[in-house]
Amino acid sequence: AQSVTQLDSQVPVFEEAPVELRCNYSSSVSVYLFWYVQYPNQGLQLLLKYLSGSTLVKGINGFEAEFNKSQTSFHLRKPSVHISDTAEYFCAVSVPSVVDSSYKLIFGSGTRLLVRP
Amino acid sequence: GAGVSQSPSNKVTEKGKDVELRCDPISGHTALYWYRQSLGQGLEFLIYFQGNSAPDKSGLPSDRFSAERTGGSVSTLTIQRTQQEDSAVYLCASSLGAGAYEQYFGPGTRLTVT
Repeated sequence: AQSVTQLDSQVPVFEEAPVELRCNYSSSVSVYLFWYVQYPNQGLQLLLKYLSGSTLVKGINGFEAEFNKSQTSFHLRKPSVHISDTAEYFCAVSVPSVVDSSYKLIFGSGTRLLVRP
Repeated sequence: GAGVSQSPSNKVTEKGKDVELRCDPISGHTALYWYRQSLGQGLEFLIYFQGNSAPDKSGLPSDRFSAERTGGSVSTLTIQRTQQEDSAVYLCASSLGAGAYEQYFGPGTRLTVT
């Protein structure tokens, strides 16, 4: 069965420091991977996605992630964070349905990024 | 263009009452998904629609939960005889199709069962 693991429930970091949020997945089929961000009292916003091609994916707000098939990882990175990056970050894998040709998202448990001045 | 909208944004109900949650997807999106976000359970898939049909209802937690979609657009998630464990944020998402397309999420409905 497919699953997503985000080992860090919270990551505190100082403003302008680099950050990496870890994500590992397990899947027996080809995967499509996503990172979403959730600001307080808001829905989820797509940061970036990996469907195929280049393993280094660039997203919005200066974030990027690298797909590593051998390590089954899709870690999210930003070289210099801002106070406004404080939010919950979710890694997700899109898995095929057993019912039809559709896909659904399986989410990790989330990582709360806390940026301090 | 307009994103996914959900109503109400907040709902407080008494245990045992029925509630209806509404989702308006992005125009032209044929696929619609419902997820539940709760403490301790994270984000869980509930049900997905392709057009007006729901091929995958595997995530619905009990027969008290049902959903429908009309006109290939608006969807309603109904919870009958609500229980305290139903308290959560219910998120709706839509996508261009049911393939591996990105899903666009609404702001959610926060349901509190007292």
